[in-house]
Amino acid sequence: AQSVSQHNHHVILSEAASLELGCNYSYGGTVNLFWYVQYPGQHLQLLLKYFSGDPLVKGIKGFEAEFIKSKFSFNLRKPSVQWSDTAEYFCAVNPRGGADGLTFGKGTHLIIQP
Amino acid sequence: DTAVSQTPKYLVTQMGNDKSIKCEQNLGHDTMYWYKQDSKKFLKIMFSYNNKELIINETVPNRFSPKSPDKAHLNLHINSLELGDSAVYFCASSHPGPQETQYFGPGTRLLVL
Repeated sequence: AQSVSQHNHHVILSEAASLELGCNYSYGGTVNLFWYVQYPGQHLQLLLKYFSGDPLVKGIKGFEAEFIKSKFSFNLRKPSVQWSDTAEYFCAVNPRGGADGLTFGKGTHLIIQP
Repeated sequence: DTAVSQTPKYLVTQMGNDKSIKCEQNLGHDTMYWYKQDSKKFLKIMFSYNNKELIINETVPNRFSPKSPDKAHLNLHINSLELGDSAVYFCASSHPGPQETQYFGPGTRLLVL
């Protein structure tokens, strides 16, 4: 079975700071990778996804993530955060090709101070 | 034109009661899911349905039963509610395949007193 580890449970940054949230997964086969964001009191929204091809993927709101296969990592980055980026961020994986449920990391609570 | 909708948004009930949460998607997806988000924000898959067949059933108590009247709906029925069932329940849907992407509903916040 697959598992996902997010190393930073709580991150506090000032506006305009750069962001990098770590995500590592373990699974013996090929996976699809996702980052979801959950703003306070709201549902999960897809930030970006990786299936294959260029390992650097761009998502909404200026976010990007890089898949490094050798490290089983899919870290999320943003060069300059805004106060509105305050939210919970979830990394998730699922085995490619099946209708399996997503396996989520435990999330990172990001707080941006104005 | 909400893609994945859930009702109710909030549900407060007493221990021992039976309740249902409804989910509908208008995306034409083949597969629907239920996830539970606990008080620590941890999300875990509970069930999925593909063409009316249950294809995942994780270690969920049998008090929880998903029911799918058609491809666009997946309801979650919970019997004999317990305090530990308090959580946010999210419905999701997708087309299975190599590039499967799941889209989530707004969630139902269940509080068992």
